[in-house]
Amino acid sequence: DVKVTQSSRYLVKRTGEKVFLECVQDMDHENMFWYRQDPGLGLRLIYFSYDVKMKEKGDIPEGYSVSREKKERFSLILESASTNQTSMYLCASTTPTGGQETQYFGPGTRLLVL
Amino acid sequence: SQQGEEDPQALSIQEGENATMNCSYKTSINNLQWYRQNSGRGLVHLILIRSNEREKHSGRLRVTLDTSKKSSSLLITASRAADTASYFCATDRTGANNLFFGTGTRLTVIP
Repeated sequence: DVKVTQSSRYLVKRTGEKVFLECVQDMDHENMFWYRQDPGLGLRLIYFSYDVKMKEKGDIPEGYSVSREKKERFSLILESASTNQTSMYLCASTTPTGGQETQYFGPGTRLLVL
Repeated sequence: SQQGEEDPQALSIQEGENATMNCSYKTSINNLQWYRQNSGRGLVHLILIRSNEREKHSGRLRVTLDTSKKSSSLLITASRAADTASYFCATDRTGANNLFFGTGTRLTVIP
């Protein structure tokens, strides 16, 4: 079974802090994604990556950056956390056939920025 | 945007009844997927239907796709309390390599 893990289930940070959210998948998937999920807005794509050291902006990249140094790991970085970044963050990965196929999700990280 | 829109936003039924959720989208697609999310957890893939398919079954799930109306429906038959979750449709976009998710339908199955 595909396993996607996220470093934290719950996280509380203060405004202005630098925040790292880690995602690791164990199925050698080339494609990885970061979403945020907010009530009434569904899932919105922040960034995605097709390969090591490669990244593409999604629909809402502002205030975020990402890092893909190893194939299995995709990190989301909040350079200076703000209260409007309080959200549920979901990581996903897909088979090498591309993002049009099934995405496998991690359990999510619920981030609270005070 | 191409984001899918689910309807209804919330649905409450008795155990044993059927649950139907609908999804509408805006532009051409190659496939449409349905995902389930238990409260506070990640999404789990349920079923994928391609644009040249009209209906697909998987266990108690039945998905239909009408590309002329740009809509899909997910039917869960003989619902169980364990089916309580949020259900999302997701569409691809021709030429892109990511999915667009709708806002979800929150299903509550009352024992």
